[in-house]
Amino acid sequence: AQTVTQSQPEMSVQEAETVTLSCTYDTSESDYYLFWYKQPPSRQMILVIRQEAYKQQNATENRFSVNFQKAAKSFSLKISDSQLGDAAMYFCAYTGTASKLTFGTGTRLQVTL
Amino acid sequence: SQTIHQWPATLVQPVGSPLSLECTVEGTSNPNLYWYRQAAGRGLQLLFYSVGIGQISSEVPQNLSASRPQDRQFILSSKKLLLSDSGFYLCAWAGLGGWTGELFFGEGSRLTVL
Repeated sequence: AQTVTQSQPEMSVQEAETVTLSCTYDTSESDYYLFWYKQPPSRQMILVIRQEAYKQQNATENRFSVNFQKAAKSFSLKISDSQLGDAAMYFCAYTGTASKLTFGTGTRLQVTL
Repeated sequence: SQTIHQWPATLVQPVGSPLSLECTVEGTSNPNLYWYRQAAGRGLQLLFYSVGIGQISSEVPQNLSASRPQDRQFILSSKKLLLSDSGFYLCAWAGLGGWTGELFFGEGSRLTVL
């Protein structure tokens, strides 16, 4: 079975600084997708960024980028120029051939002034 | 555009009482539908998912059941709630164009069992 591990329950970053959230996963599949989802205090989950495993290039969405290390099964999220609105729970997620997402336990990000 | 509605938003129920949470998707047909639970301090646990009417896959043995009586309706139920059923329940649907892993979530239902 696939597993997703987020070893950082909480992280803190100062406004305008950069922070990296870690995620590792375990799978025997060769074709899969990885995601970072954000859950703000309002609770509605939204997709931040997606990475296809067959793509070597790391995905980027504005201030959000990933460091995808397929051999190491690592998928970290970097948030640059952090803003107060980035404060949220961040979940790493995996999907392979089955039509379902497996989530990690989440990292709560605090953004301070 | 597609929207997802989930209700009730908040529910406080006594132990042993029944439960019914409802989720409806608009603006699409034959979506994949999902129920996740988020317990305090834990991640999202997939409870059930459905790829079509009457087709329900259960991920973990538990005190809950799910049904899909209509194409865009997904219901989470229990006959007798346990304290451990407390949590935040999220309904989600999969995007169009085949499975890519992207889910669109409802606003969630917070269940407190006393």
